[in-house]
Amino acid sequence: QVQLAQSGAEVKKPGASVKVSCKASGYTFTSYDINWVRQAAGQGLEWMGWMNPNSDTAGYTGYAQKFQGRVTMTRNTSISTAYMELSSLRYEDTAVYYCARGHYSSYWFDTWGQGTLVTVSS
Amino acid sequence: DIQMTQSPSSLSASVGDRVTITCQASQDITKFLNWYQQKPGKAPNLLIYDASNLETGVPSRFSASGSGTDFTFTISRVQPEDIATYYCQQYDGLPRTFGQGTKLEIK
Repeated sequence: QVQLAQSGAEVKKPGASVKVSCKASGYTFTSYDINWVRQAAGQGLEWMGWMNPNSDTAGYTGYAQKFQGRVTMTRNTSISTAYMELSSLRYEDTAVYYCARGHYSSYWFDTWGQGTLVTVSS
Repeated sequence: DIQMTQSPSSLSASVGDRVTITCQASQDITKFLNWYQQKPGKAPNLLIYDASNLETGVPSRFSASGSGTDFTFTISRVQPEDIATYYCQQYDGLPRTFGQGTKLEIK
């Protein structure tokens, strides 16, 4: 079945970077966008951006303006894995980060990873 | 950005009750709206796409309707396993945005 498996929890210091992975299985990785959504404790869902893993588009990306300049979404098609790197971490970046498969042009998200807790702490 | 406003923010219902959640967009989004369920400690799960289409495998007690700026989501007969937070999400524009969520509790 279609699955997205994310990397484990991370603890980072303010100013550092974190890179979260999302391994896809059960479908053709290059046929669907991968989106990243985060959720702070007790808060709602916040969309960060998307990446088209298709090699023809060289991994086209689109980021929410809030994260422009701090987020980078990449992929390794040989292992069906997407990555989200967030730099210059702040305390307020502490959240669970989800990858989600985007249907059509990321109109809706039909499969989600289990989430990765990123804690920013000194 | 398109703002999505859900109401109520929380509600309490008895098993078998009919519950309705509303979602209002800050501008016309035609039918470009989805609904998700998030159970405690879990990732969100797609229930409804394109305003009214039930995702495969989702029980038929869930339904939704609406267009333009006003949308509704209904659970016809609430079950204990429906305890969750429900979110709407628009895809008319970028960034994709979610409502703030509606937490459903069972009396």
